[in-house]
Amino acid sequence: SYELTQPPSVSVSPGQTASITCSGDKLGNKYACWYQQKPGQSPVLIVYQDNRRPSGIPERFSGSNSGNTATLTISGTQAMDEADYYCQAWDSNNVVFGGGTKLTVL
Amino acid sequence: QVQLVQSGAEVKKPGSSVKVSCKTSGGTFSTFGINWVRQAPGQGLEWMGRIIPIFDIEDYAQNFQGRVTISADKSTSTAYMELSSLRSDDTAVYYCAICLAVTPHHYYMDVWGRGTTVTVSS
Repeated sequence: SYELTQPPSVSVSPGQTASITCSGDKLGNKYACWYQQKPGQSPVLIVYQDNRRPSGIPERFSGSNSGNTATLTISGTQAMDEADYYCQAWDSNNVVFGGGTKLTVL
Repeated sequence: QVQLVQSGAEVKKPGSSVKVSCKTSGGTFSTFGINWVRQAPGQGLEWMGRIIPIFDIEDYAQNFQGRVTISADKSTSTAYMELSSLRSDDTAVYYCAICLAVTPHHYYMDVWGRGTTVTVSS
């Protein structure tokens, strides 16, 4: 079955750029999306179709996908961006999630 | 705007079954891809399966094949997830999540419910 791999944790200083990767076999041939989940809350879609943002998602969130890696980039990271982030792809009629990355803003 | 209301928390005995509901409002229910995703305490997201009512399509994750049934009542715009033969490691928050525009090549969940806590304990 298809697998997506994320780093368990990423740290970033406020105002800096955070990058969270998601790796999978030929992931660039599929579309990737990203969810943000804050403690005690439901996930929220923040990027879909590799690099598109739903309405209401700040421009500082962006995505890319090429080769075997999709990347979520958060520019000018704010304290409120501290959360868990999950990538997701669609493969063989199955939703596949990455294991999640805890973003710490310190 | 699509909104989801899930049923309340459940406490179940090992070996029993649980049925969780997800009532939608707004949008066209039958065209949605309605998904169930669970999250065990301190763990990541795990997709269980989906239903697309307009096509009568059901897809299930291999880990749950034979143990989970997802259904939809178009008359009430409500989806259900029933999980049987419950074990302690089924203790989790179960989310209903909607794909508003189902396409063959990209599938993602635009709207999420608040989750239903299911606790399995003897």
